[in-house]
Amino acid sequence: DTEVTQTPKHLVMGMTNKKSLKCEQHMGHRAMYWYKQKAKKPPELMFVYSYEKLSINESVPSRFSPECPNSSLLNLHLHALQPEDSALYLCASSQARDRANTGELFFGEGSRLTVL
Amino acid sequence: GENVEQHPSTLSVQEGDSAVIKCTYSDSASNYFPWYKQELGKRPQLIIDIRSNVGEKKDQRIAVTLNKTAKHFSLHITETQPEDSAVYFCAASNDAGTASKLTFGTGTRLQVTL
Repeated sequence: DTEVTQTPKHLVMGMTNKKSLKCEQHMGHRAMYWYKQKAKKPPELMFVYSYEKLSINESVPSRFSPECPNSSLLNLHLHALQPEDSALYLCASSQARDRANTGELFFGEGSRLTVL
Repeated sequence: GENVEQHPSTLSVQEGDSAVIKCTYSDSASNYFPWYKQELGKRPQLIIDIRSNVGEKKDQRIAVTLNKTAKHFSLHITETQPEDSAVYFCAASNDAGTASKLTFGTGTRLQVTL
């Protein structure tokens, strides 16, 4: 299984809603990531978990709250979002880096979020 | 932090021609340079990568070259086919830490015409 699975594929929410994006991988990867991608732009790193611990937070607003319940799952909790947060949210995973491992990112298909 | 510039932003070639996409990076500590392909509505996927101890790497019709002194690297696609049409992102990172912190370039939209 070389898949990263994300749910839901599409999400529409109001600015007062609370919702969550979910990501799952069964490749034994110990690093998991959330990226945000706006149309015609590159993926922009939000959070990195390494061995289930938050290792990188790229100064993301607190209305985005990541969670890594175990080594296979990654969640992104959303609360009080703004219309400008509408984007494709990509989850990715990689093996923990070492000399033999290039750190290839395996991306999910993404969750397309629209904030009204 | 790292800054990666990518050119051109769009590229149109005829089927069978070659395509070249160029990137420059700013952080001399960067030592890993992958290229991702993202087809319309799909996920980014790694197509080739290179480490800083290698100057060139080839995989069938795709090759990447790296010039550490000038801090630039390029993607070369030969004998282009319609299925090569996609957005290509270069990226750079260093080996610090256990997780990849990639900085992506701004992307190149490649259109291969018949």
